[in-house]
Amino acid sequence: NSKVIQTPRYLVKGQGQKAKMRCIPEKGHPVVFWYQQNKNNEFKFLINFQNQEVLQQIDMTEKRFSAECPSNSPCSLEIQSSEAGDSALYLCASSQGERLFFGHGTKLSVL
Amino acid sequence: QQKVQQSPESLIVPEGGMASLNCTSSDRNVDYFWWYRQHSGKSPKMLMSIFSNGEKEEGRFTVHLNKASLHTSLHIRDSQPSDSALYLCAASSNNAGAKLTFGGGTRLTVRP
Repeated sequence: NSKVIQTPRYLVKGQGQKAKMRCIPEKGHPVVFWYQQNKNNEFKFLINFQNQEVLQQIDMTEKRFSAECPSNSPCSLEIQSSEAGDSALYLCASSQGERLFFGHGTKLSVL
Repeated sequence: QQKVQQSPESLIVPEGGMASLNCTSSDRNVDYFWWYRQHSGKSPKMLMSIFSNGEKEEGRFTVHLNKASLHTSLHIRDSQPSDSALYLCAASSNNAGAKLTFGGGTRLTVRP
């Protein structure tokens, strides 16, 4: 069973609505990643954090997505104004070394 | 164009057969390669990693890496129906916290 906990498992939003998902990384893992897996199973890296600080993020994440990993609280990824193309599985992963451990994901459907 | 290319896109092998999956990175800054397996509706789970030239074997699974060509391959012998899944190759640099870049995956089906 995955020790990276993601909520909710499913999220349904209308276009233009905010969509927020959360992730509790595995205990002791300082690095957290967010990936988007589309219906073609393609992975897109969105953002990663190390101890609450952003390491890398892509342009899309800077503009419409906001993410944070506060200490002592779940990490979160929020889409400010959902678009149909945002429908995907959002996977959170954490790592202590090089290996990533994934959560079950949040499946977002934007109607 | 994806920086990590996997082939074939899909593969069907009979139970007990050998499955061979390929992966090449076009990014010369990568140092580590990973193979993940994702069953339908589940999260990806790491199968094997390889960082050095050569071969690594764990049970029925063998990975090869040629760092000069940035090519890795995964071979599954005595394939089982439970091996049917999406196999994802990923590459990363050796920097702490470096992102993994994933390929498009190979869909493996093992026919009983």
